[in-house]
Amino acid sequence: AQSVSQHNHHVILSEAASLELGCNYSYGGTVNLFWYVQYPGQHLQLLLKYFSGDPLVKGIKGFEAEFIKSKFSFNLRKPSVQWSDTAEYFCAVTPHGGTDKLIFGTGTRLQVFP
Amino acid sequence: SQTIHQWPATLVQPVGSPLSLECTVEGTSNPNLYWYRQAAGRGLQLLFYSVGIGQISSEVPQNLSASRPQDRQFILSSKKLLLSDSGFYLCAWSPLMIPSGNTIYFGEGSWLTVV
Repeated sequence: AQSVSQHNHHVILSEAASLELGCNYSYGGTVNLFWYVQYPGQHLQLLLKYFSGDPLVKGIKGFEAEFIKSKFSFNLRKPSVQWSDTAEYFCAVTPHGGTDKLIFGTGTRLQVFP
Repeated sequence: SQTIHQWPATLVQPVGSPLSLECTVEGTSNPNLYWYRQAAGRGLQLLFYSVGIGQISSEVPQNLSASRPQDRQFILSSKKLLLSDSGFYLCAWSPLMIPSGNTIYFGEGSWLTVV
């Protein structure tokens, strides 16, 4: 069965610090990969997604993620975080050609202090 | 544009009471529909998904059931709630799968506290 691991459960940063959140998945076939974000009191929303092509994916708000197939990883990065990036971040995977049921990681809570 | 709504937003129910959470999608046809649960420290767990009316797949054995009486309506139910059913429940939809990997869109969520 597919699974997704997010090893950072809680990350605390100061504004302007760089961010990298780890995401690893276990699935032998081709996958589609996603990062979702949940700001306090808001819906889950899509941050970025990878289906195919360039493994470096740009998302909204200056986020990017790199798909490294050999490492089964899809880490999320941002060079300089802002206080408004405080949120919970979820990595998710769905098998390519599957039923679109997303398998989520346990989430990483990011707190950014001014 | 498409919208998704679920209700109630918050619910406090005693152990052993029934549950009904409702979700509707507007502005699309034949969506795939999902129920997820977000429990503290456990991320988002897929409970049920449906690719059509009356077609429900259960991902995990549990005290809950789901039904899809209409194309854009998805209901999460329980006959007798357990304390362990407490959590944040999210309804979601995605377009009918064409190429794989369509984005999933989430509702506002429903907080259920079983006391």
